[in-house]
Amino acid sequence: DVKVTQSSRYLVKRTGEKVFLECVQDMDHENMFWYRQDPGLGLRLIYFSYDVKMKEKGDIPEGYSVSREKKERFSLILESASTNQTSMYLCASSEGHSPYEQYFGPGTRLTVT
Amino acid sequence: LAKTTQPISMDSYEGQEVNITCSHNNIATNDYITWYQQFPSQGPRFIIQGYKTKVTNEVASLFIPADRKSSTLSLPRVSLSDTAVYYCLVGLIYGSSNTGKLIFGQGTTLQVKP
Repeated sequence: DVKVTQSSRYLVKRTGEKVFLECVQDMDHENMFWYRQDPGLGLRLIYFSYDVKMKEKGDIPEGYSVSREKKERFSLILESASTNQTSMYLCASSEGHSPYEQYFGPGTRLTVT
Repeated sequence: LAKTTQPISMDSYEGQEVNITCSHNNIATNDYITWYQQFPSQGPRFIIQGYKTKVTNEVASLFIPADRKSSTLSLPRVSLSDTAVYYCLVGLIYGSSNTGKLIFGQGTTLQVKP
């Protein structure tokens, strides 16, 4: 069965802290994605990766960076967390030949105080 | 960036066919159209994708007119378990697109009643 796991369901951090959100997939997928979901705004793509060490900016990359050192793992990094980054963060993965058929993790609810 | 517009909510009854339409007036030539379903406290789940005309799988059909400025997700004979939020998205993952990478709409909350 397809599985995407995220390191935490809930996370509380202080303004200015460096935050790491981890995502692991066990399907040997080429593509991995990070989204944030906010009420009234839907899901917005932050970054995605189509191969190890390869990344591309999504639609709202400002304030975020990513790392993909291994195929199964994709990390989202908030260098200096701010309150406007309080959100639900969702990770997804997909096969290279079917990029739009994405499998999502359960999400991490991040609160920055 | 592209904007997708969907009805905020819809009601239906068990056994009925439900059609949810999404408007995407400035879709780019190479953009794909994809629909997802999301239950509370879960990540979205892929339903169907298409580029033009009609696509059908075991759970839904997707109708795309020739001008591609809208699309309609059709769910045959809904049940209570189909109560969820349905998202339409357009975009292009590989390559550049004036409409952005992947734009999710705000979603349509479908309530299926017994």
